[in-house]
Amino acid sequence: DAMVIQNPRYQVTQFGKPVTLSCSQTLNHNVMYWYQQKSSQAPKLLFHYYDKDFNNEADTPDNFQSRRPNTSFCFLDIRSPGLGDAAMYLCATSNPAGSSDTQYFGPGTRLTVL
Amino acid sequence: RKEVEQDPGPFNVPEGATVAFNCTYSNSASQSFFWYRQDCRKEPKLLMSVYSSGNEDGRFTAQLNRASQYISLLIRDSKLSDSATYLCAVNPAAGYNKLIFGAGTRLAVHP
Repeated sequence: DAMVIQNPRYQVTQFGKPVTLSCSQTLNHNVMYWYQQKSSQAPKLLFHYYDKDFNNEADTPDNFQSRRPNTSFCFLDIRSPGLGDAAMYLCATSNPAGSSDTQYFGPGTRLTVL
Repeated sequence: RKEVEQDPGPFNVPEGATVAFNCTYSNSASQSFFWYRQDCRKEPKLLMSVYSSGNEDGRFTAQLNRASQYISLLIRDSKLSDSATYLCAVNPAAGYNKLIFGAGTRLAVHP
């Protein structure tokens, strides 16, 4: 089945220790997104790639970086995680070239910062 | 004012009840609208898109009111399995490749 896959599902890191979260998709969608969602809050868009074009949200901290080496994969790098970065990180894809802005989400990675 | 606002609930309803949620948005240029369902500690899953003419999918009906800038979701004959958080999402402008989400409305259906 075509899908959005995130690894790992659970990640524990130490304060200040860099961490990388992975997302892959078999949908062949040209847009990939990273969201941060804290408990009882809305998913907050961090950035997205339209093909290779990177689009950062104005309020995304510099601590968060992203890479998209090819259509299928996208990575979220947190350079120096703080306690406030503990959250669920959701990857999503969409295919506006196919005239749809519906977004499809992966299962998320729950990040714990000790 | 938040761009997309929802009543957080919880809405506690018995099985078989009809329940309605509203979601207001601030940008009158918003182009497309969605309802997502999110179970506890899971990812959001698309429930339905919201069309200008309104649309229905089984027990679920979505409506758009552009004049008052809100969308609604009606659930008829509630099931225990409908218990979840319902997020609305809005594409704020034509050509934007992003959605703005509300924080969600929690629904709890009890026997």
